[in-house]
Amino acid sequence: GAGVSQTPSNKVTEKGKYVELRCDPISGHTALYWYRQSLGQGPEFLIYFQGTGAADDSGLPNDRFFAVRPEGSVSTLKIQRTERGDSAVYLCASSSSSERTGELFFGEGSRLTVL
Amino acid sequence: GENVEQHPSTLSVQEGDSAVIKCTYSDSASNYFPWYKQELGKRPQLIIDIRSNVGEKKDQRIAVTLNKTAKHFSLHITETQPEDSAVYFCAASKGGGAAGNKLTFGGGTRVLVKP
Repeated sequence: GAGVSQTPSNKVTEKGKYVELRCDPISGHTALYWYRQSLGQGPEFLIYFQGTGAADDSGLPNDRFFAVRPEGSVSTLKIQRTERGDSAVYLCASSSSSERTGELFFGEGSRLTVL
Repeated sequence: GENVEQHPSTLSVQEGDSAVIKCTYSDSASNYFPWYKQELGKRPQLIIDIRSNVGEKKDQRIAVTLNKTAKHFSLHITETQPEDSAVYFCAASKGGGAAGNKLTFGGGTRVLVKP
């Protein structure tokens, strides 16, 4: 596609439920990043993929959070046993490793609300 | 890990005046410093970036300066226009290219340009 696509754009769930957030990066971009942005804050790094493997998952807050990218393109962020504190906008970004600057191109985000 | 501080958190300027946003970083190994603009409910978009081998970079009405010794960098917007109103984020990273580009963001500056 022309840009990074994220679905759903909005997700409302109840505390304790499981959610999946999907990211479709720019075609050909090998690097994919997940960030979390709380209201009035800067994006906070969660995890970075280079191809199919998670190159850096140091930002995942706890073991309720998991992400996969099985074919090196689309990625899914999975959150188990959601808590109210998980409410935020989850941003996905991709970049091309062939470009010197490695500019990150962001999607519009998935707004998660946990009631 | 890297820590990026950004000031001020809000900035109100009269149309036509200049706006300056300042950031400091903690990791002397950081070598890439992008600035992102985020309009309400939209994705962050890169507006300018600078690498550590350059002290200043300019693109029309925006410029960025970098002081590696002091570990701070600044965004300058001249002749501000109402469409410059947005939240601006600075960021820092050690990577780029094949190594990936994990960004650490500042807390953001909400800029309001009054007509």
